[in-house]
Amino acid sequence: SQQGEEDPQALSIQEGENATMNCSYKTSINNLQWYRQNSGRGLVHLILIRSNEREKHSGRLRVTLDTSKKSSSLLITASRAADTASYFCAQPAIQGAQKLVFGQGTRLTINP
Amino acid sequence: GAVVSQHPSRVICKSGTSVKIECRSLDFQATTMFWYRQFPKKSLMLMATSNEGSKATYEQGVEKDKFLINHASLTLSTLTVTSAHPEDSSFYICSASYGTGGYQPQHFGDGTRLSIL
Repeated sequence: SQQGEEDPQALSIQEGENATMNCSYKTSINNLQWYRQNSGRGLVHLILIRSNEREKHSGRLRVTLDTSKKSSSLLITASRAADTASYFCAQPAIQGAQKLVFGQGTRLTINP
Repeated sequence: GAVVSQHPSRVICKSGTSVKIECRSLDFQATTMFWYRQFPKKSLMLMATSNEGSKATYEQGVEKDKFLINHASLTLSTLTVTSAHPEDSSFYICSASYGTGGYQPQHFGDGTRLSIL
């Protein structure tokens, strides 16, 4: 299966702490994407990192990519209650394709 | 920008009813739209990919006669669940993207919660 594995499946931390989520994948990629899903809602695109990039930032988000280990991580710094959501990594089903395969997701809970 | 509207947000209906879900890209032309199904606390399962003016491509195991997809324009795709049964109850989500090359993110609707009694 191409589907990525995310780790941990669930994470609960205190507001203000940093949250790190990991994603491992099995096939070669040209990019990897991270999405957030609030409960009962659709997904929101967060960051796309290309295979020739090692790190990318967007506000309080930092994504790293290690193609040699086929892994990526999403770091949320100074977490807020509003960051409570599920986070998914996604990779193209085949290189160059728009079809994505989503990981199992990490359910993040930020406690006030 | 890149807003996708999905309607209705919730449907409750009797077994045997057919249900149509609409997915519209409001401020861009979507070259490709995707339909997903999501079970509680699970990941998204891709059902089909649709391109404007052509037949949808269904994933393995998805019944095309059961889940009819029409992509009539660059801004509208519909999913019709025909003769729905309780096992079809689920959260259905559409997404849309534009451009080619595999570097475009997908923009998601807010989903439709379908409950079949």
